[in-house]
Amino acid sequence: AQSVSQHNHHVILSEAASLELGCNYSYGGTVNLFWYVQYPGQHLQLLLKYFSGDPLVKGIKGFEAEFIKSKFSFNLRKPSVQWSDTAEYFCAVNPILTGGGNKLTFGTGTQLKVEL
Amino acid sequence: GAVVSQHPSWVICKSGTSVKIECRSLDFQATTMFWYRQFPKQSLMLMATSNEGSKATYEQGVEKDKFLINHASLTLSTLTVTSAHPEDSSFYICSARDLVERGPYNEQFFGPGTRLTVL
Repeated sequence: AQSVSQHNHHVILSEAASLELGCNYSYGGTVNLFWYVQYPGQHLQLLLKYFSGDPLVKGIKGFEAEFIKSKFSFNLRKPSVQWSDTAEYFCAVNPILTGGGNKLTFGTGTQLKVEL
Repeated sequence: GAVVSQHPSWVICKSGTSVKIECRSLDFQATTMFWYRQFPKQSLMLMATSNEGSKATYEQGVEKDKFLINHASLTLSTLTVTSAHPEDSSFYICSARDLVERGPYNEQFFGPGTRLTVL
């Protein structure tokens, strides 16, 4: 079965610092990749997604992620974080299987705290 | 648009009782809804896929007789935790996928979750 690893469980940054959150997955076939964000007290929201094409995808709120197929990675980045980016971030993978399917496998999440 | 609600948002019950959690898509129709379970400091684990008008598909290791899922309409799926025990205490999250196919992948929209505590 596929798995998703997020190596950073807790990250603390100062405002304006750059952010990179790691995500690796273990599936050899074609995948769709996602980053979700969960702000305190709120539900999961889609931050960005990759299906095909340009491996560098841009999402909402200045986030971007780069798919590196050879490394099975989909790291999330933001050049300059804001206090309002404090949230939990989840990487998720949807393997493209014969016969379809829309199942997401989530990583364990990274809790980001941005300090003023 | 694309709002998913869950009710209740939190529930406390006694061991041995059953608890029903509702998941509703408020402004779209969903043929497919998903139920996840999230333990503290851990990831969301898919429990089952709920399809409108048919039986749910459970993930390996999930007891279908304990976690009853009913997807009676295109906007409502329910999860009933039967004979709940303290180890069933968790955060249960549902998601819904739009009926209308919009491309290679239909986004899942997530509800706010239900915190279940079994005493």
